[in-house]
Formats: sequence, structure tokens, C-alpha cells
Amino acid sequence: DQQVKQNSPSLSVQEGRISILNCDYTNSMFDYFLWYKKYPAEGPTFLISISSIKDKNEDGRFTVFLNKSAKHLSLHIVPSQPGDSAVYFCAAGNTNAGKSTFGDGTTLTVKP
Amino acid sequence: GAGVSQSPSNKVTEKGKDVELRCDPISGHTALYWYRQSLGQGLEFLIYFQGNSAPDKSGLPSDRFSAERTGGSVSTLTIQRTQQEDSAVYLCASSLGIFVGYTFGSGTRLTVV
Repeated sequence: DQQVKQNSPSLSVQEGRISILNCDYTNSMFDYFLWYKKYPAEGPTFLISISSIKDKNEDGRFTVFLNKSAKHLSLHIVPSQPGDSAVYFCAAGNTNAGKSTFGDGTTLTVKP
Repeated sequence: GAGVSQSPSNKVTEKGKDVELRCDPISGHTALYWYRQSLGQGLEFLIYFQGNSAPDKSGLPSDRFSAERTGGSVSTLTIQRTQQEDSAVYLCASSLGIFVGYTFGSGTRLTVV
């Protein structure tokens, strides 16, 4: 049973437009959520996180939204840039459990 | 060090041989994690260390897999009698806390032939 799901394997957007990456989870015990970006041949890089007590967290061009009732979170990138092209992983965990569970990733392509 | 260091970066081994993968976390990071990513798949959790103890080993696929951490620092992941399905990128990460996220190494690409 996959507890963190990223249903879109890929997403393509035009430079300057908004990119919206989605993630769903099933475990109601998750109380923190994170997004990572991964370039080929590198390890994932932490982007932004949100705790379950919030519904929005913003850092520059990146905003994460959390809808607990729907068990859904999304990452918005505005404006999108070609350098944002990468695989984006959603992750979730419980502060008492110590580990994060990752989704399968969404490949974002930003076209110039 | 400045980041998480993993060695070797690439390893090709024959089926049935044992391999040892090494991870040097960021100095002072008490938590250390091993994940693996098979081709086209997401990150699969293997094991988590807090200090030298492993509170969660639930992701280790079989008893051929083991890991240890010494001195609250370096960790080694050992795979005995490797099989072709063990081929993957093995990623190590360390962290100080939860909301700051993990810092990952670049991984070890293991190919079992």
C-alpha cells in the first residue's frame, strides 16, 4: 500500500507560467510534509516543508499548500524557470516515527 | 564535511558477491537514513539511525541486508550474496531535525551482473 502518491509522472509548462505539482497521502498520522527536487545523477535536495498545523508555507517562488481533510498537498512554482526542470518528490512523515515516506516523483519540464 | 559523502559512487559486482556501501554524514547530524531508488521508481526507505542505534529497520528487504553506524558518524550498508534485483541507486541522507529536511549524498549506483 503506497502511502504517498504522486499520480502525475510528468508535467510540462512554459517558462514564466505556474507549475503545480500534486501529492496525495493516505496515512492520517503524517504530521509533516516536504518537497524535494532531484537532478540526474545527484541526490534529492530539500526544497520546502509544511507542518500539519499550517495550510500554507511560502519560500520565494515556491509555495506548498496542505489540505488535511482531503489528504492532499501541492507545490506551486511561480514563475517557472527552465532551471526548475527536475524530478520533484513529495515526502511525508510523523514526528515520532523519524523517517519520511516518499512518493514516486513527478518530472517537471519547463520549456523556454 | 560540507555535505553527505557516499562511496563508491559506482559499483559493479557479480551476482553472489558481498558489497559494502559507505556514508559519511554531515558532522553533527544525529539522524542518518538509507534509501534506495530502483530504475523508474521512487525512494524506498531501508533503515534509519538515531546516533548509533537503529530504531527503524523495517525497510530492509531481506536478511542479506544489514547496516551499522559507528561513533554517531560513518555508516556502512552491507549487502550479502547480491542478486540482480539489488541493482539500484543507494542514497544516504542525514539531518539535524525534521522540518529542515534531509541532506542527501549523491548516491552509490550498484549494478549486479
